[in-house]
This record gives sequence, C-alpha cells and structure tokens, in this order.
Amino acid sequence: DVKVTQSSRYLVKRTGEKVFLECVQDMDHENMFWYRQDPGLGLRLIYFSYDVKMKEKGDIPEGYSVSREKKERFSLILESASTNQTSMYLCASSLPHRGSPLHFGNGTRLTVT
Amino acid sequence: AQTVTQSQPEMSVQEAETVTLSCTYDTSESDYYLFWYKQPPSRQMILVIRQEAYKQQNATENRFSVNFQKAAKSFSLKISDSQLGDAAMYFCAYVGQGGSEKLVFGKGTKLTVNP
Repeated sequence: DVKVTQSSRYLVKRTGEKVFLECVQDMDHENMFWYRQDPGLGLRLIYFSYDVKMKEKGDIPEGYSVSREKKERFSLILESASTNQTSMYLCASSLPHRGSPLHFGNGTRLTVT
Repeated sequence: AQTVTQSQPEMSVQEAETVTLSCTYDTSESDYYLFWYKQPPSRQMILVIRQEAYKQQNATENRFSVNFQKAAKSFSLKISDSQLGDAAMYFCAYVGQGGSEKLVFGKGTKLTVNP
C-alpha cells in the first residue's frame, strides 16, 4: 500500500512565523500535491509538483511556496504565517496519469494565533 | 475552468438503506475522469470509485455504484445497504485533458448513517 506521511498531525504557530509542512511518500510517485481543506469550501489546490524541482501553482498559491528536492518529499512553506492560513492541509501523491487515484496523508491541522 | 458542484451539504440515511449523493460538473472537454473520495471523521481520505468518461458502463465497487450521465454532466454516487462505517465526508472530483493531473474537487457532502 502507498503510504503518504505528513510530519505533524497538529501544529500551532504564531503570526509571522515561517512554517514548514513536510510530506513523504514511499511509492516512487511522480506527482505530489498540497491541498487546503476548509469547511464549506472543500479541497483547494495550493501547489502541484510533477517531478523533482518542478512545480505548478494551484488555485490558491498566495502566501505559500513549495520545495521538492527529492522525489519522495514535498514541503509546503508558509513564509509568514497569518491567521487566515489556519486550516487543514492535505498532502497527496499519484502516478503521472490523469486517471490515477490520489493517495492522501492524514492531514496537518494548522492553527495560527 | 472546470467546476464541480455537490448540491447536498449534508445527507442522512438509515442503516441498511440506500442513499444517493449528487454531483454535477461543468466542462467542455470530452475525455476526463471522475472520482468519488471518502473522508471518515479524523481519518485519511480514500478513493471510493472512479469513472472514465469514454466508458458507457457505470462503475461499481461492491455496495458503491455511480450513475454517470455524460450529456447531463451528472455523476451521482449510490451507496446500497448503508453501514455505520459509511459515515463520512464524500467528495466528488474531476480531472480533464488539459495537460495536467490536477483534480478539481466539489465542496463535499457529509453523510450521516443512523442506526
């Protein structure tokens, strides 16, 4: 089974801090994704990576950046955390085919105070 | 841009009964995939079922089946013999031809199963 591991289940940070959310997958998937999940808004794509060092902006990239230096690891960076970035963050991976299902991590619930 | 609409924020069903969750989508593409994902409370999101647009036959996975109406751009999920473990958020998702594997998700339907 594919395993997608997010480093933290819960995280509390202060406004203005730089925050790193880490995601690791163990199935050699080319694609990795960061989604943000908010009640009533569903899942919104922040960034997508289709290969090492390659990335595409999603629907809501403002205030976020990403890093993919190794195939198995995809990091989401909040350069200066703000309270409106309090949310659930989901990482996912997949094979490079449109019909391939996404495999999700357990999510990181980030609270910015 | 493609959009996915789930018009039922919440649904409930009695255990052992059947429930149908609605999903519509807007696209001008002819080749695409549709998915239903399930997110149980405090648990990982998992794939329930997948449909390829060029396939006429509706996908089925055990108690889960879809009613795919391509012309109407409708993709509903039917859960038969509902079980307590089916209680979850259900998300409909779309991915098209547009050169990328980025999925577009609906806002979700929260399903409650009553004993």
